[in-house]
Amino acid sequence: DAGVIQSPRHEVTEMGQEVTLRCKPISGHDYLFWYRQTMMRGLELLIYFNNNVPIDDSGMPEDRFSAKMPNASFSTLKIQPSEPRDSAVYFCASTLGAATNEKLFFGSGTQLSVL
Amino acid sequence: AQSVTQLDSHVSVSEGTPVLLRCNYSSSYSPSLFWYVQHPNKGLQLLLKYTSAATLVKGINGFEAEFKKSETSFHLTKPSAHMSDAAEYFCVSRGWGGFKTIFGAGTRLFVKA
Repeated sequence: DAGVIQSPRHEVTEMGQEVTLRCKPISGHDYLFWYRQTMMRGLELLIYFNNNVPIDDSGMPEDRFSAKMPNASFSTLKIQPSEPRDSAVYFCASTLGAATNEKLFFGSGTQLSVL
Repeated sequence: AQSVTQLDSHVSVSEGTPVLLRCNYSSSYSPSLFWYVQHPNKGLQLLLKYTSAATLVKGINGFEAEFKKSETSFHLTKPSAHMSDAAEYFCVSRGWGGFKTIFGAGTRLFVKA
């Protein structure tokens, strides 16, 4: 398996533009997580899905952020409109919910810069 | 409420000396606990996980952690630091039932020659 795949690796955009980050989890994994990493806040859980259903989105910072998982092999995180303070590395991770101590498999992250 | 507190934002040790990275957790139930490491410009790697089979957990690269329920702690240790251990370390908690996985703020480990 290729692991968790995120695209793009880097995204540079201007304030006000729409940004869409993509994630393909490992096949067979039933949990998918979106994290944001910044120097100030560390790794923040934004939202996670179980079997394509959002379970907890309490970490989503505001209405400008939305996430979807239309099927088991694809998820998107959208920011509209983007702002400079959204600049961060966004990680997607997946795991198999067979047991609570299953490890997370992380993608390589998307480095987002909003100018 | 579920939370993880890493008590030190930075730890600096000399090569060959012991490492201690501290983590306290808060949860209504005994959570699943993990330590992850992130090297500069690299992804996150699992160091070890608490499975409830044993309170002392051994991980990769000589690291280990001890689960102490009475102290709600899961500190990470290594007897002898190596230069390659310089990285950021995250203590992670997963709650019961919901799989919500929370990262601590991270501890950056510096290793001096």
